[in-house]
Amino acid sequence: GENVEQHPSTLSVQEGDSAVIKCTYSDSASNYFPWYKQELGKGPQLIIDIRSNVGEKKDQRIAVTLNKTAKHFSLHITETQPEDSAVYFCAGGVYGNKLVFGAGTILRVKS
Amino acid sequence: GAVVSQHPSRVICKSGTSVKIECRSLDFQATTMFWYRQFPKQSLMLMATSNEGSKATYEQGVEKDKFLINHASLTLSTLTVTSAHPEDSSFYICSARDSAGGNQPQHFGDGTRLSIL
Repeated sequence: GENVEQHPSTLSVQEGDSAVIKCTYSDSASNYFPWYKQELGKGPQLIIDIRSNVGEKKDQRIAVTLNKTAKHFSLHITETQPEDSAVYFCAGGVYGNKLVFGAGTILRVKS
Repeated sequence: GAVVSQHPSRVICKSGTSVKIECRSLDFQATTMFWYRQFPKQSLMLMATSNEGSKATYEQGVEKDKFLINHASLTLSTLTVTSAHPEDSSFYICSARDSAGGNQPQHFGDGTRLSIL
């Protein structure tokens, strides 16, 4: 089955700097890779997702890149703000089916 | 749009009690909902996939008689933790995917914090 690894486990950046979180997956059949943001005591919120037919997707300050050959995908947050501080999870799977989540990254944006 | 409501948000009960958690899709229909469990500072672990009108599909190691799932309508799935014990204490989260088709991601509820004394 699918295995998703996520790095780093914690990331501290200065406000205004960029943050990058990386994930790798094992199952070449996976074609859907969402990213979720989870704040304390709440459920995960979808922030961006990408399907395997594209290599990059951008939504304002957030972008995701996908390298199918290497089986890795990354989340890029530019111009970070204190409200970006949260736990971020990557996930992978076959679109419409169950997802396997990475271990999560605690992002701290220092003002 | 795409709001998933989970109730209750917090439950504290005695060992041996059965607890029911509801997951509702408020503005869309969902033939499939997912139930996850999350321990403190850990990732989400899929427990089961809930299918409207049919039996749930459980992940390996999850006891189906312990965690009863019912998905009786296109907007409601319930998870019942039967005879709960302290080791069942956890954060339970559901997600749902719009059945309308097209590019529909999973949307999550805000979770239920279950504490068994």
